[in-house]
Amino acid sequence: QQQVKQSPQSLIVQKGGISIINCAYENTAFDYFPWYQQFPGKGPALLIAIRPDVSEKKEGRFTISFNKSAKQFSLHIMDSQPGDSATYFCAASRLNNDMRFGAGTRLTVKP
Amino acid sequence: GAGVSQSPRYKVAKRGQDVALRCDPISGHVSLFWYQQALGQGPEFLTYFQNEAQLDKSGLPSDRFFAERPEGSVSTLKIQRTQQEDSAVYLCASSLLGTTEAFFGQGTRLTVV
Repeated sequence: QQQVKQSPQSLIVQKGGISIINCAYENTAFDYFPWYQQFPGKGPALLIAIRPDVSEKKEGRFTISFNKSAKQFSLHIMDSQPGDSATYFCAASRLNNDMRFGAGTRLTVKP
Repeated sequence: GAGVSQSPRYKVAKRGQDVALRCDPISGHVSLFWYQQALGQGPEFLTYFQNEAQLDKSGLPSDRFFAERPEGSVSTLKIQRTQQEDSAVYLCASSLLGTTEAFFGQGTRLTVV
């Protein structure tokens, strides 16, 4: 059922380092690719999203890189901070339809 | 309220019991989604409403699962004859029609004993 494959499962980064999480999808009908951040006991919260007509989108320390031909996209967190420690989910959807999530990456940023 | 509200936050059910989980979406949000999140996993799609119409229920794992949104606002996910494998966090999300930014509630953690 997992239409979106995410790696790594867990990631440990030093404060100030770069965190990189990768995702791959199968369905070429997907046209919206968000990343969600989830803290324990909370629902996922939208972090940043991209559409396939651009190859990169940057918002502050967060950047999505998108490779349409490879059907892959990734999240880069620059200057990672301990407060970024959370579980990150990539997702893919078609406009206003159900969203399919990756299995998640647990990020730990060590001070 | 400002966000998506779900109740109860926690529910313990005995195996075989029926449960009902409630979702209050953000006011004005036409689209409503239910997801099931097992421990350590990503959310798995269950069903989708546009107003009161259930447009997709392909993710409901069995006929014991039923969802409704009779007036196009509040939604209820009902699970009949709960089984241990139903134990999970059930997440509700809503979005404006024509957008894809979905806002999630905090979820209901269901434990079947």
